[in-house]
Amino acid sequence: ETGVTQTPRHLVMGMTNKKSLKCEQHLGHNAMYWYKQSAKKPLELMFVYSLEERVENNSVPSRFSPECPNSSHLFLHLHTLQPEDSALYLCASSQDMGSGIETQYFGPGTRLLVL
Amino acid sequence: KNQVEQSPQSLIILEGKNCTLQCNYTVSPFSNLRWYKQDTGRGPVSLTIMTFSENTKSNGRYTATLDADTKQSSLHITASQLSDSASYICVVSPSMEYGNKLVFGAGTILRVKS
Repeated sequence: ETGVTQTPRHLVMGMTNKKSLKCEQHLGHNAMYWYKQSAKKPLELMFVYSLEERVENNSVPSRFSPECPNSSHLFLHLHTLQPEDSALYLCASSQDMGSGIETQYFGPGTRLLVL
Repeated sequence: KNQVEQSPQSLIILEGKNCTLQCNYTVSPFSNLRWYKQDTGRGPVSLTIMTFSENTKSNGRYTATLDADTKQSSLHITASQLSDSASYICVVSPSMEYGNKLVFGAGTILRVKS
């Protein structure tokens, strides 16, 4: 295992629901990331946190709301999602960010289906 | 625009055979290139990482090559096993001043049959 866990592993929700995805890393890393992976498309970076502060938001719709309460936990709060938001949501962590050389360690992902 | 293109999109081979996956990129300036393996239902796991000064890097039966002049990389898998069935993702990192903004390819799906 990579040391990054995600829950739930699978989630089905209606467009009016509110749910949250959870990510936890046990590696002592300072940077955490949310990615969206759609079929046959490259991973899309959604949010980056470094030292518990958001450092990047790549034009993600406001129906996705991240939260980083401490350096080892990251949440993605979901509300009023659209069917096109169905995808695999991956969390990753790295020791730090900015050097460009660090490896990101990925969690297993949450498979989300929006009906 | 920074892009990473991978080919083929998918590949099916017999167990024991070798195969080579390709990655072309336009990322500039370039810092390093990684190959990740993503098993079905799992997150990507790093296989190799190469800086612009490295031409080849091995990890067991996986050998990655890099030609920074032509902006091409390949991942060669020797004596394939059923457990090699996965998606292989090429990831390029721009230079340090651009932080950790990785550019991902769409991946090559490899299926090894017995």
